[in-house]
Amino acid sequence: GAGVSQSPSNKVTEKGKDVELRCDPISGHTALYWYRQSLGQGLEFLIYFQGNSAPDKSGLPSDRFSAERTGGSVSTLTIQRTQQEDSAVYLCASSPQGRTDTQYFGPGTRLTVL
Amino acid sequence: QKEVEQNSGPLSVPEGAIASLNCTYSDRGSQSFFWYRQYSGKSPELIMSIYSNGDKEDGRFTAQLNKASQYVSLLIRDSQPSDSATYLCAVGGNNRLAFGKGNQVVVIP
Repeated sequence: GAGVSQSPSNKVTEKGKDVELRCDPISGHTALYWYRQSLGQGLEFLIYFQGNSAPDKSGLPSDRFSAERTGGSVSTLTIQRTQQEDSAVYLCASSPQGRTDTQYFGPGTRLTVL
Repeated sequence: QKEVEQNSGPLSVPEGAIASLNCTYSDRGSQSFFWYRQYSGKSPELIMSIYSNGDKEDGRFTAQLNKASQYVSLLIRDSQPSDSATYLCAVGGNNRLAFGKGNQVVVIP
């Protein structure tokens, strides 16, 4: 079946602009996660959605970052007033009901802030 | 805050040899452990999960877990050039994965 998909695959933006990154999880997966991978760094947890519950936003690095998940499926990560340090690969993952530790990653969006 | 450490530098192994990767973690209460493989420019791919002390084998891969020592390792037997990648150790819990920075493995034909 189809895996996690993300769009766009690459995004180049200017400092100060807003960007939206999209994630389509695996069909039927109830949990969705956003991570960030900066050059030379490990993956950093950003946010977790589980069904219709309130998301766990504890990993978001600043209030410029927000995310929503509509209808329990597609998610959008929004970064407002982008900064150069936001440049990274943003990875989305999903997992099935009751298996939150088993996460399947999408191909990522490479964000470059000039 | 969970910490996951992968301290070894790049690992070069000849084709057919065993590659050994190590990982330590800080949260003694952690219960689930994973190894992901990440090819350059690609997303992480889950290759092994382990939950109990001891060894778990899957094909050429063996994961080893020692909760008392807070240590998890990955062995790759009969290494192939296609195993050349970065290997990420991850520890589960609190509805997220905490990742180490990864170890690069280069298999030399």
